[in-house]
Amino acid sequence: QSALTQEASLSGTVGQKVTLSCTGNGNNIGRFSVGWYQQISRGAPKPVMFGDSLPSGIPDRFSGSKSGTTAFLTISGLQPEDEADYYCSTWDASLSGWVFGGGTRLTVL
Amino acid sequence: EVQLLESGGGLVQPGGSLRLSCVVTGFRFSSNALAWVRQPPGKGLEWVSVISSTGGNTYYADSVKGRFTISRDNSRNTVFLQMNSLRVEDTATYYCAKDRAREFFDYWGQGALVAVSS
Repeated sequence: QSALTQEASLSGTVGQKVTLSCTGNGNNIGRFSVGWYQQISRGAPKPVMFGDSLPSGIPDRFSGSKSGTTAFLTISGLQPEDEADYYCSTWDASLSGWVFGGGTRLTVL
Repeated sequence: EVQLLESGGGLVQPGGSLRLSCVVTGFRFSSNALAWVRQPPGKGLEWVSVISSTGGNTYYADSVKGRFTISRDNSRNTVFLQMNSLRVEDTATYYCAKDRAREFFDYWGQGALVAVSS
């Protein structure tokens, strides 16, 4: 069982807005910023968000936010190429290590 | 251009050992922490270990503590993962990743496949 909880699957149509969530506790998300990673067809993970900051080259339809111990990744204007697995991750102070969510499979209908 | 290139994966019997290497180019290796993250077939990402820029601090997931050892050679821009007493459940693709100050994994390698089977 993963330390961070994500939806197992979500879907949306082209152009729709979709929000993925990542829930932790006060030792991880409550204290540290969250990174989000996109994985397409089991290739290498690609960073798409850190906190509310976009890595270079990531389109601005991606945005990030946090409320208490839950982080969110929002994709506004969903595109076919956004279909992928998305993972959240952050540092955990009580474990002295990184923790990941179980991943959300996003399907673009 | 930043590149992380893993090597050393392969098939090993349970109880055996394997050493993974990750050669890094494109950023100041000696100033950055490096981590290993793995992904079993059909499953999600799991953090394995991280080493500080100097090598003075190392951290491990409970699932590998006492069996795996992370190290680095700053003169060769290389980070290693020595894996001993391997178990079937260690079967995974192992990724090397740059740890940006415990904030974010901002660069990843392509992965090395480790299969533990008799």
